[in-house]
Amino acid sequence: AQKITQTQPGMFVQEKEAVTLDCTYDTSDPSYGLFWYKQPSSGEMIFLIYQGSYDQQNATEGRYSLNFQKARKSANLVISASQLGDSAMYFCAMRSYGGSQGNLIFGKGTKLSVKP
Amino acid sequence: EPEVTQTPSHQVTQMGQEVILRCVPISNHLYFYWYRQILGQKVEFLVSFYNNEISEKSEIFDDQFSVERPDGSNFTLKIRSTKLEDSAMYFCASSEALLSSGSRETQYFGPGTRLLVL
Repeated sequence: AQKITQTQPGMFVQEKEAVTLDCTYDTSDPSYGLFWYKQPSSGEMIFLIYQGSYDQQNATEGRYSLNFQKARKSANLVISASQLGDSAMYFCAMRSYGGSQGNLIFGKGTKLSVKP
Repeated sequence: EPEVTQTPSHQVTQMGQEVILRCVPISNHLYFYWYRQILGQKVEFLVSFYNNEISEKSEIFDDQFSVERPDGSNFTLKIRSTKLEDSAMYFCASSEALLSSGSRETQYFGPGTRLLVL
């Protein structure tokens, strides 16, 4: 069965420091995509970063990078130089293609709070 | 930058009433989705739609739910007879491509419709 696990319900980080949000996944399909979304208190879901299972390099998008360790089935999000506006819920999600049209499966999320 | 839009942003309805949630996906996207998020819980897949038909649906998407693309731009979710447990945030999403397409498979979400059933 496909599953996303985010073990940190809440995290605190000091402004300007880096923070890592954990995500592990489970799928038997060799082809899959991994995503991180940010959900501020206003409720919208904002796409942050994508990693394909066959990508050789870790994805980066500005201050966001994805620490992809395929053998360990982990896809941790690293936010560098945290800002107050980074305070939000962060969801890890996966699309896996074995017998599926590729709908997203989400983890329970991590609530990040950035302290001034 | 193109974005997914949804209307209304909030909807309050009485139990048993029909509601229609509307979405305008990104214009060059071909794959459309509905998800829901009950307050404080994770996001759950409802249905995917491609080429004017349902591609996949979850167990949540029972006979009370239907989707439609009535014209070239809108994508709607109808709940025929709302129940209290339908209260949730409903997200529409769209993607350019589907399988193993690299970043083109990314699903972009609309701002959501917060549905409250009384």
